[in-house]
Amino acid sequence: DVKVTQSSRYLVKRTGEKVFLECVQDMDHENMFWYRQDPGLGLRLIYFSYDVKMKEKGDIPEGYSVSREKKERFSLILESASTNQTSMYLCASSPRSGPKETQYFGPGTRLLVL
Amino acid sequence: GQQLNQSPQSMFIQEGEDVSMNCTSSSIFNTWLWYKQDPGEGPVLLIALYKAGELTSNGRLTAQFGITRKDSFLNISASIPSDVGIYFCAGRIGNQFYFGTGTSLTVIP
Repeated sequence: DVKVTQSSRYLVKRTGEKVFLECVQDMDHENMFWYRQDPGLGLRLIYFSYDVKMKEKGDIPEGYSVSREKKERFSLILESASTNQTSMYLCASSPRSGPKETQYFGPGTRLLVL
Repeated sequence: GQQLNQSPQSMFIQEGEDVSMNCTSSSIFNTWLWYKQDPGEGPVLLIALYKAGELTSNGRLTAQFGITRKDSFLNISASIPSDVGIYFCAGRIGNQFYFGTGTSLTVIP
């Protein structure tokens, strides 16, 4: 079974704090993704990574950065949290592009920024 | 990013009824995926489709990859209360995935 885990299910932070969201996958997948999910807006891609130390901006990278030092771990960083970053954050992973590529999600981290 | 058109947005059905939802796009996809998301949880993969015309079942769920590669549908037969949740479609182009806005399903016992 593919397993994608996220370090926290719920987080409460204050405006201006630096926030780290960690994601780990155990299937040796090359690709990892960070999304945020908001009511009425669906899933929006923040950043993705095709390999260790590689990162690509998604649709809404502003206010976020990422780190991929090891293949199994992809971290999302909010340098200075703001209230409009209150959201559900979903990590996902998939194997390198091939005919049977499928994406698997973690359980999500619900972040509240006060 | 690309958005897939998913319909209906929400459904209220009686237990035992069949359900049908679909996704369409102006783009051609290599893969179609269907997920279910329970409140406060991450999406869970239900069915993956890899070839145009492919019809795949998973228990009471059946999904098809449209011949044009621009659409897909998901059917749920004989719905039960635990089918409640939000169902998402996703399409893949290259290494990127694009998502529908979801169908919220409520099953009335």
